[in-house]
Amino acid sequence: QVNLLQSGAALVKPGASVKLSCKASGYTFTDYYIHWVKQSHGKSLEWIGYINPNSGYTNYNEKFKSKATLTVDKSTNTAYMELSRLTSEDSATYYCTRERDNNYYFDYWGQGVMVTVSS
Amino acid sequence: DVQMTQSLSYLAASPGESVSISCKASKSISNYLAWYQQKPGEAYKLLIYSGSTLQSGTPSRFSGSGSGTDFTLTIRSLEPEDFGLYYCQQYYEKPLTFGSGTKLEIK
Repeated sequence: QVNLLQSGAALVKPGASVKLSCKASGYTFTDYYIHWVKQSHGKSLEWIGYINPNSGYTNYNEKFKSKATLTVDKSTNTAYMELSRLTSEDSATYYCTRERDNNYYFDYWGQGVMVTVSS
Repeated sequence: DVQMTQSLSYLAASPGESVSISCKASKSISNYLAWYQQKPGEAYKLLIYSGSTLQSGTPSRFSGSGSGTDFTLTIRSLEPEDFGLYYCQQYYEKPLTFGSGTKLEIK
């Protein structure tokens, strides 16, 4: 069965970076885009961007272009998102998701990883 | 960006009742709309896409309707497992955007 397993919670200092992982299993990793979504505490969902695991092509929400960097490691079926120059505004839960059949909606979600930015 | 508005942030209902959750887009998105359910401790679940098409595994008591700017998720005869958070998402254009969510609780 399809599973997206995300790395554990992170506590990071302001100004630092953090790299989140999302390990895919149960399907051919390179056949489906991986998207990342942010959910700030008590707030709604924000789309960060996506990566084509086959080609490495990325597409970002303008809002997150200077914040997030998406990469993949095809050898381990793992997608990564690095968040840089962290501030308290980046404290949130981040989800990786699988896009369904080139349609920009998501048929599988990771369990989410909470990032807390605090000194 | 397309703004997605779920006017009801909270809805209380009893098992067996039917409920409707609305979602309004700030511009026409045709039927490029998905609905998701989130329950505590569980991953988000895709319920409906293309406005009205049930994802495999979604119970038939769920239905979606609408096109253009106004959409509705209807749940007939609520089951205890239906309580949770519901979000709509447009995928008509990027950036992809979500509604603010509607929390469905047991009355």
